[in-house]
Amino acid sequence: QKEVEQDPGPLSVPEGAIVSLNCTYSNSAFQYFMWYRQYSRKGPELLMYTYSSGNKEDGRFTAQVDKSSKYISLFIRDSQPSDSATYLCAITQGGSEKLVFGKGTKLTVNP
Amino acid sequence: DTGVSQNPRHKITKRGQNVTFRCDPISEHNRLYWYRQTLGQGPEFLTYFQNEAQLEKSRLLSDRFSAERPKGSFSTLEIQRTEQGDSAMYLCASTRTGETQYFGPGTRLLVL
Repeated sequence: QKEVEQDPGPLSVPEGAIVSLNCTYSNSAFQYFMWYRQYSRKGPELLMYTYSSGNKEDGRFTAQVDKSSKYISLFIRDSQPSDSATYLCAITQGGSEKLVFGKGTKLTVNP
Repeated sequence: DTGVSQNPRHKITKRGQNVTFRCDPISEHNRLYWYRQTLGQGPEFLTYFQNEAQLEKSRLLSDRFSAERPKGSFSTLEIQRTEQGDSAMYLCASTRTGETQYFGPGTRLLVL
């Protein structure tokens, strides 16, 4: 069993749709949860960073963590064509320890 | 631009050749990480430095790979006797202790 599981998609939605991206993890020692966005042939860009269970909102993005289920989600409201990218979940045991990434979900938002 | 920079951005080499990549972290970031990303996969941890000390190396980092951060600022990653399986994007990230990691644009390596 991999430490982090993420459905690679691809996921295709119309502009304006609500997008839900998810990851599960196996080790309860993981404490910090991140979502990165990666455009084609570019480095990952940090979107959201959470520590505790619950929701964290930033504009159109909401990150949700359920430590009891070892399940993390990213919701994108009013999706835009510019949101088309690969979304990577990443987890770590400590605030600056090595990151363990999911495979990434490729999202396409169609105008 | 005060972000993480990596050079070169692209490298094509023949099997058996040595290659070296450079990463310049964000100023005052004491931790520097190297990851490798292959097509359709998330980045995988290779190694990291705190200042000039290399604190952890992944099992992915074979004897042909060596990384340095001699003065605690920029870092180099060298691959000796490259193999076709080394073809990947090599990503560098930096951070201050207790904060999140910021990634550079990556160096895309193709071994022919």
